[in-house]
Amino acid sequence: GAGVSQSPSNKVTEKGKDVELRCDPISGHTALYWYRQSLGQGLEFLIYFQGNSAPDKSGLPSDRFSAERTGGSVSTLTIQRTQQEDSAVYLCASSRRSYEQYFGPGTRLTVT
Amino acid sequence: GESVGLHLPTLSVQEGDNSIINCAYSNSASDYFIWYKQESGKGPQFIIDIRSNMDKRQGQRVTVLLNKTVKHLSLQIAATQPGDSAVYFCAENSGNTGKLIFGQGTTLQVKP
Repeated sequence: GAGVSQSPSNKVTEKGKDVELRCDPISGHTALYWYRQSLGQGLEFLIYFQGNSAPDKSGLPSDRFSAERTGGSVSTLTIQRTQQEDSAVYLCASSRRSYEQYFGPGTRLTVT
Repeated sequence: GESVGLHLPTLSVQEGDNSIINCAYSNSASDYFIWYKQESGKGPQFIIDIRSNMDKRQGQRVTVLLNKTVKHLSLQIAATQPGDSAVYFCAENSGNTGKLIFGQGTTLQVKP
């Protein structure tokens, strides 16, 4: 079946602009996660949605980052006033339970 | 604080040999561990997982060993193939929080 999809695959933006990254999880998966991966590094947790519960935002690095999940499915990660240190690959994952997370291909964000 | 680390950033093996990738974790409360494989330009791909009530789990050509006494996790790949070349990450989860803590990754290079 279809896996997790993310769009765009690449995004180049100027410093100070806002960006929106989209994630379409696997159908039927109630949990959705966002991670950030800097070049050559491991994944850094950002935010986690589980069903109708309040999201776990403990990994968001600043208040410029926010995410929402509409209708329990699609999620959008928004970064306001982008900075060069925001450049990274942003990965989305979904799971039926909290454990086996299936990842999308990521969005590579470059802030110039 | 929580941290998950891998002992070696790069591991080079001969095709056909067995590979062992190691991981140390610091959170003794972690109850679930997972290994991911990440190929260049792609999102992490689930390989195998293990819960803390087990010390060994086998999959197809892969085995995960968990030693809770020394907080050590390893991934063994039998008869390593060129297609196994990738970056391997271990990750931990504690208390069903949904938040995976990732290590830095080990690059596996398979020599023909």
